[in-house]
Amino acid sequence: AQRVTQPEKLLSVFKGAPVELKCNYSYSGSPELFWYVQYSRQRLQLLLRHISRESIKGFTADLNKGETSFHLKKPFAQEEDSAMYYCALTTSNTGKLIFGQGTTLQVKP
Amino acid sequence: DAGVIQSPRHEVTEMGQEVTLRCKPISGHNSLFWYRQTMMRGLELLIYFNNNVPIDDSGMPEDRFSAKMPNASFSTLKIQPSEPRDSAVYFCASSVGRNTEAFFGQGTRLTVV
Repeated sequence: AQRVTQPEKLLSVFKGAPVELKCNYSYSGSPELFWYVQYSRQRLQLLLRHISRESIKGFTADLNKGETSFHLKKPFAQEEDSAMYYCALTTSNTGKLIFGQGTTLQVKP
Repeated sequence: DAGVIQSPRHEVTEMGQEVTLRCKPISGHNSLFWYRQTMMRGLELLIYFNNNVPIDDSGMPEDRFSAKMPNASFSTLKIQPSEPRDSAVYFCASSVGRNTEAFFGQGTRLTVV
């Protein structure tokens, strides 16, 4: 069965510090991986996807098939990055979209 | 387009009552997802429709839960009878197809007392 695991419920860092939100997945097929973000009082929205290989708001994520990971990174955290972050996977055959448990990022001034 | 619209935004009901949550996906989107969000489990996929047909309902917790999509512009999630452990935020999301960005509604916060 497909699964997405985010081992940290809460990650607290100081402004300017590097950030890494961990995500591991299990899926026997070829996955499409995403990061979604939910800011306070806003809708859950897409942050980035592995297939586009882009950097959004300074965040990047690299798919490591050997380690089955898709960690989200940012070299210098900003206070406005404080939010809930979800890693997600879609299955190539059915398009089923499943999420991890989420990690709350708290950036302190 | 106003995006994915869910109603009601908040629902408080007594244990044993029937609850119906509603969702209007973005026009032209043919995939629709229902999720339940809790602190303990994060976002759990309950059911997924493609072209109004349920593709995967393996996440529906019990027979008390049912979902329908009678047409491309409307879906419901029903809980009958409701229980206190059903209290959560329920999200609906839609996308234009497989492996594309999903757009989320504002969610319905359900409290069963």
